[in-house]
Amino acid sequence: DIQMTQSPSSLSASVGDRVTITCRASQSISSYLNWYQQKPGKAPKLLIYAASSLQSGVPSRFSGSGSGTDFTLTISSLQPEDFATYYCQQSYSTFVTFGQGTKLEIK
Amino acid sequence: QITLKESGPTLVKPTQTLTLTCTFSGFSLSTSGVGVGWIRQPPGKALEWLALIYWNDDKRYSPSLKSRLTITKDTSKNQVVLTMTNMDPVDTATYYCAHEGGGYDNWFDPWGQGTLVTVSS
Repeated sequence: DIQMTQSPSSLSASVGDRVTITCRASQSISSYLNWYQQKPGKAPKLLIYAASSLQSGVPSRFSGSGSGTDFTLTISSLQPEDFATYYCQQSYSTFVTFGQGTKLEIK
Repeated sequence: QITLKESGPTLVKPTQTLTLTCTFSGFSLSTSGVGVGWIRQPPGKALEWLALIYWNDDKRYSPSLKSRLTITKDTSKNQVVLTMTNMDPVDTATYYCAHEGGGYDNWFDPWGQGTLVTVSS
């Protein structure tokens, strides 16, 4: 299996902050990396696919970058509705795997 | 608009078999490039992918759970069924089905609302 490791596991930030979450794969996955946002009690929502493509309807303050083994999700200016848990997911392998999640909390 | 909804028992006993149904609309599993996946999430924990089925009946399973899982589709009913045998309390989780991005892209969008399954005697 390809292991996905996110850092940090949790993060406190304020509205308006620029925030970066990192995801590292245990082997090269090219650009087969996707990001999801999950709010409490809700299903995950796709934000970014193929490392840097913004899903339709997702605000432009979200962006993704990286290739190979190291990837980042950046929120340029945090909004109140962005406080949630974020997951990365690799789709390079036949066997999909997710990261352990990063919980973004209000400071 | 694509929608998916999971259904099945909320409580199962240890050693029993769980059968979950994903009923969807807005797409057809007979259309080339289409897939449906199952993902679960134990309370307070991370997402875990379980299985995928594609329009061509290609099926993929999590290696760690492969011996316990079966995924099937009923194109005429717009349904995908997941069965998991020999349920254990550690299988307590919210189970989601999701539309696969298309053409083996293997990203999931959108997701169903999820159904919480508790394994307890």
